[in-house]
Amino acid sequence: DQQVKQNSPSLSVQEGRISILNCDYTNSMFDYFLWYKKYPAEGPTFLISISSIKDKNEDGRFTVFLNKSAKHLSLHIVPSQPGDSAVYFCAASYLNSGGYQKVTFGIGTKLQVIP
Amino acid sequence: KAGVTQTPRYLIKTRGQQVTLSCSPISGHRSVSWYQQTPGQGLQFLFEYFSETQRNKGNFPGRFSGRQFSNSRSEMNVSTLELGDSALYLCASSLAGTGASPLHFGNGTRLTVT
Repeated sequence: DQQVKQNSPSLSVQEGRISILNCDYTNSMFDYFLWYKKYPAEGPTFLISISSIKDKNEDGRFTVFLNKSAKHLSLHIVPSQPGDSAVYFCAASYLNSGGYQKVTFGIGTKLQVIP
Repeated sequence: KAGVTQTPRYLIKTRGQQVTLSCSPISGHRSVSWYQQTPGQGLQFLFEYFSETQRNKGNFPGRFSGRQFSNSRSEMNVSTLELGDSALYLCASSLAGTGASPLHFGNGTRLTVT
């Protein structure tokens, strides 16, 4: 049962345009959401996060939107740059009964920004 | 501050062998998690250690095991290797307090089983 779903395996966008990466989740216990970026031969790096008490978080060119009722979040990159070409993983977590974080990742979306 | 270090970077083993992977977390991070990445499967959670105790485990067979030392360094062991174990194994550390905190990943160990 895949609790975090990234239904688009790949996305191509022209440089300067907006990139929108989508993520859906099924577990209503998730209360913290994160995006990670991964280049080939490197580990994922944390990009941006959002708590369930918010519906938007912005950091420079990156904005994450959360729609709790739809159990959907999206990452917007504006403007897109060739260096943004990478695999983006959506992740969701909640604090379990033991008081620690349980994190679940999606399968990733490969973004290609075309110069 | 040094990042998460994983050794070795690449490993080739044959079926039936066993392998040990090592991970040194960021200084001060007490939580270490291990993930398996394969094409089309994303990051599959293996287990998490905190203060030398395994406190969370994914849905992998018992051939996959791990441990954490008092200095927070962690090792992962896979016994009786199968072809399907070929993957990128990622280690991540975090402060893991009572609140949510991002994971910091190493560059992984690429394991190939022939």
